[in-house]
Amino acid sequence: AQSVTQPDIHITVSEGASLELRCNYSYGATPYLFWYVQSPGQGLQLLLKYFSGDTLVQGIKGFEAEFKRSQSSFNLRKPSVHWSDAAEYFCAVGAQEYGNKLVFGAGTILRVKS
Amino acid sequence: GAGVSQTPSNKVTEKGKYVELRCDPISGHTALYWYRQSLGQGPEFLIYFQGTGAADDSGLPNDRFFAVRPEGSVSTLKIQRTERGDSAVYLCASSSTGGFEAFFGQGTRLTVV
Repeated sequence: AQSVTQPDIHITVSEGASLELRCNYSYGATPYLFWYVQSPGQGLQLLLKYFSGDTLVQGIKGFEAEFKRSQSSFNLRKPSVHWSDAAEYFCAVGAQEYGNKLVFGAGTILRVKS
Repeated sequence: GAGVSQTPSNKVTEKGKYVELRCDPISGHTALYWYRQSLGQGPEFLIYFQGTGAADDSGLPNDRFFAVRPEGSVSTLKIQRTERGDSAVYLCASSSTGGFEAFFGQGTRLTVV
């Protein structure tokens, strides 16, 4: 069965510090990988995606993620966090072999200390 | 409209009642998805439409849940005989290609009391 694991439920970082949010997946197919952000009362906004090619992908708001096939991981990073980055972050995986649906992780809540 | 629009934004209903949740996708998007997000969880897939037809309804939890998209644009998610466990945020998303890159609405928060 397909599954996505985000091991950290909450993460707190200081403003200006670097950030890494972890995502591991279990998929029996070539995955498409996504990171979404959700602010309170808001819908999901796509930060970045990986379909193929360069395994380091750049997204909006200064975020990047690296696909590591050998580790089945797609960790999200940001070199310097801003207070406005406080939100919940979701990793999601899809594969054409399993239809057009995404499987989401449970999310990581990011808190930013000033 | 500019984005995916969902109405109502909040719905409180009594156990056993029938509810309808509406999704207005981005104009021209042929693919439409419904997801359900329970408290503390990530979204879970419910159903996917390509045009007017449900291409994949494997995520609907039981036969109390039904969704339609009669003209290939607006979709309605219908829940009969609501139960307290149905309380969640129901998210709609649309895509121009039916691929995975979908745009999400702000969701309808359903509370069954």
